[in-house]
This record gives sequence, C-alpha cells and structure tokens, in this order.
Amino acid sequence: GENVEQHPSTLSVQEGDSAVIKCTYSDSASNYFPWYKQELGKRPQLIIDIRSNVGEKKDQRIAVTLNKTAKHFSLHITETQPEDSAVYFCAATLGYGGSQGNLIFGKGTKLSVKP
Amino acid sequence: NAGVTQTPKFQVLKTGQSMTLQCAQDMNHEYMSWYRQDPGMGLRLIHYSVGAGITDQGEVPNGYNVSRSTTEDFPLRLLSAAPSQTSVYFCASSPSSSGYTFGSGTRLTVV
Repeated sequence: GENVEQHPSTLSVQEGDSAVIKCTYSDSASNYFPWYKQELGKRPQLIIDIRSNVGEKKDQRIAVTLNKTAKHFSLHITETQPEDSAVYFCAATLGYGGSQGNLIFGKGTKLSVKP
Repeated sequence: NAGVTQTPKFQVLKTGQSMTLQCAQDMNHEYMSWYRQDPGMGLRLIHYSVGAGITDQGEVPNGYNVSRSTTEDFPLRLLSAAPSQTSVYFCASSPSSSGYTFGSGTRLTVV
C-alpha cells in the first residue's frame, strides 16, 4: 500500500520568512496530493491540493509542487504570519476512482512562526 | 449544510465495552473515511467507503467494524474496547473530485 514520509517534523521560522515542507510517496500510481492544516484542538482543513497532471499550483501565499519522477511533493508558504502556526499534513491517494477513499497521510509538520 | 457531524464529542469506556461512533454528512458525498489521530502518528486510516454498501480496510482496521447502508451515514463500531484504542477519531467525507471535509472529532478514552 501507499506510504507517505513527511519532513521536517518541526519547523520554526521568523515572521515574513518562507517555509517549505516536503513529502515523498511510495506508490507511483498515486495521482492526488492534498495538504491539510490543523490548528490546536481543531479538525484538519484542506488548504491546497494538486493532481499528477500538474507540476505546480498556487493560491495566494501557498504553493505546492510535484515531482512525479522522484515521487515527492512540497508545500511552500511565503511571507509567513503568526496565524500560519499549525500542524501541516500531506497526503496521497489514487484519485478519480474507487481508491480515492484510501487517503494516506504523512505524520505531520509542526510549523511555528515567531513574531 | 451541517457538513460532517460526529457524535459523541467525548466518551470514556471501560475495557471490554462496545460502542458506536456516529458520523453523518449532508453533502451527498460518495467517499467517507474514519481516521484515528495519536500524538506523533499523524492521521491513520481505519476504514473507508466509496459508496453505500461498499467498505474497505485502511491501515489500522483491527478492532473496528464499519457499515455504509446509506450515503449519509458511516458509523464506526468498537467491538471490545482496549486502552490502545484511546485516541481522537475523525470522520471525513468527500465527493469524487476534491479533498476531504473532516468532522470535529470524538475524543475517546478507554480505561
């Protein structure tokens, strides 16, 4: 089955700096890669996702890149703000069909943004 | 839309007791899943469903049963609770073309 590795487990940056979180996946057939943000005591919330037919996707200060050959994808947050402090999870699955329910998560990255 | 509704929010069980965690969604989503979240372990998939009448095992299915008799509901049954099942449980749903919406979670303690 799919296995997702996520690094680093903790990340501390100064406000205004950029943050990068990296994930690798094992199943070359995986084609859907979402990222979730979880604030303390809250539920995970989808912040951005990418499919395997796209190499990069941006949404304001957040971007995700995908390298299918190397089987890794990354989350980039620019101009970080204290409210970006949270745990971020990457995930991978086979989309567009019966396997999309089998969404496997990485272990998470705790991002701290210092004012 | 209420989204994904989980009940109860908190539960304490004694070892060996059984219970059902309820999950309902009103968005007509095809996919539903149950995850458990433990410190340092991320979100681990217990069981998932791709439609009414169809379920499959995830990464950590032992000790849990599910059924999906309707599109809206996806209950998770603990057959004989063990302390190792102490965790926060999240139910999630999605349409076929986008990511999951999570419920608010159930914090379960087994003593």
